[in-house]
Order: sequence, then structure tokens, then C-alpha cells
Amino acid sequence: GAVVSQHPSRVICKSGTSVKIECRSLDFQATTMFWYRQFPKKSLMLMATSNEGSKATYEQGVEKDKFLINHASLTLSTLTVTSAHPEDSSFYICSARLRGGADTQYFGPGTRLTVL
Amino acid sequence: KNQVEQSPQSLIILEGKNCTLQCNYTVSPFSNLRWYKQDTGRGPVSLTIMTFSENTKSNGRYTATLDADTKQSSLHITASQLSDSASYICVVSAGRGTDKLIFGTGTRLQVFP
Repeated sequence: GAVVSQHPSRVICKSGTSVKIECRSLDFQATTMFWYRQFPKKSLMLMATSNEGSKATYEQGVEKDKFLINHASLTLSTLTVTSAHPEDSSFYICSARLRGGADTQYFGPGTRLTVL
Repeated sequence: KNQVEQSPQSLIILEGKNCTLQCNYTVSPFSNLRWYKQDTGRGPVSLTIMTFSENTKSNGRYTATLDADTKQSSLHITASQLSDSASYICVVSAGRGTDKLIFGTGTRLQVFP
């Protein structure tokens, strides 16, 4: 149980285009999902917290107009990288929180974004 | 400042050998500590989770320890296998009821035949 999927697993796009990444909790409902980015050999950095039916909360330094987050249902959150640039190339990972004794976050497999 | 530091940064061992990875943290208030395994190009997968009152937790060949007094944790891998090659990340949850996770930079483990 507690499986989180992401789509696509990898995407290559031209500079200036927008890219949408989906995060789904497959076998549980997630009122809260999280979006991280990870640069090579670096730790995961939280970008934003997404709550179903409300606006996302962005971490300091993350542009909310550039990284649009929509948490439309209890099983789906999307991250749209708008007007992508090469410096946005990174590994984007989502997680979904399963409410329980430890409020565990379950991570998706990640999406590799390459902006040319 | 909340921080999680791991050592070593990287480690190479031969298949079948044991190894221990270290994690030191300065996170307050402390809620729990998790060890994750992250394969290259994949998302992290939880191995163990320990709360303040737990000293040790096992998951197959993985055994995690926690010393809340010294704010140290270790992950011991027994009889390593080639599939253990991955990054191991120590993650501390800052405060009960919050979503704030403090990630370590990870230890890159390579197991060779």
C-alpha cells in the first residue's frame, strides 16, 4: 500500500515552454502533497506544500508564478513549470502524506526535467 | 539552525560485508527520524522510522539506532548485496504535527562483487 506515482518519469523540453508533472496517490487519499526538487548529489529541497482544495504554500525563494501547483483532488496534485529555462532542469519529486501515528510521507519515483 | 549531517559522503564495500552509516542532527523540537534508500533516478523509499523513545529499529538486513541524548543515529547494513548500492538519506521531522522534514545530504553506498 501507500504507492505514489508520477508522470512523466522524464521530459525534455525547449526553453520557454511549460511542462506539467502529475503526482498521484494510487491507493490512499492524500490531503497534503509535497513537491521537492533535487540537484545532482544534493539533498531534496522542499518547494511547496499542496493542500487539497486550497492554495499551495511555497517555501522561501520559490516563485509561485513559475511553479504552479494545483491539488484538485485527494489523489492528484500537479506541478507546472512555466516558461522553463535550462536552470530549471532538475529532478522533481512529489510526496503524499498518509495520516497516521507518524504522518509518514510517501515519495513518488521522481520526474527528470531537462530544459534545452 | 536545523541541520542533518551524514557521514561518510560515500562508501565502497565488497558484497557480503557489513557497513554503518552515521547521521548527526541538530533539530528542535525533534519528532522522529527516518532512514530512506534512494536508488539513482528514483524517489526515496522508507527503511525505518524512530521516535524519541525508540533506540533501535530493524527492517530485514537494515538496523537503525537512535541516541536522542547525543542526537545521533546510525544505519547498519548486514551482509550487503549489490542491490544495496544507493544513496541513504537520514531525515528528521521537526516538531510534532508539522510537515517540516530536514534532509541530510545522504551517503552514497556502492557495493562491488
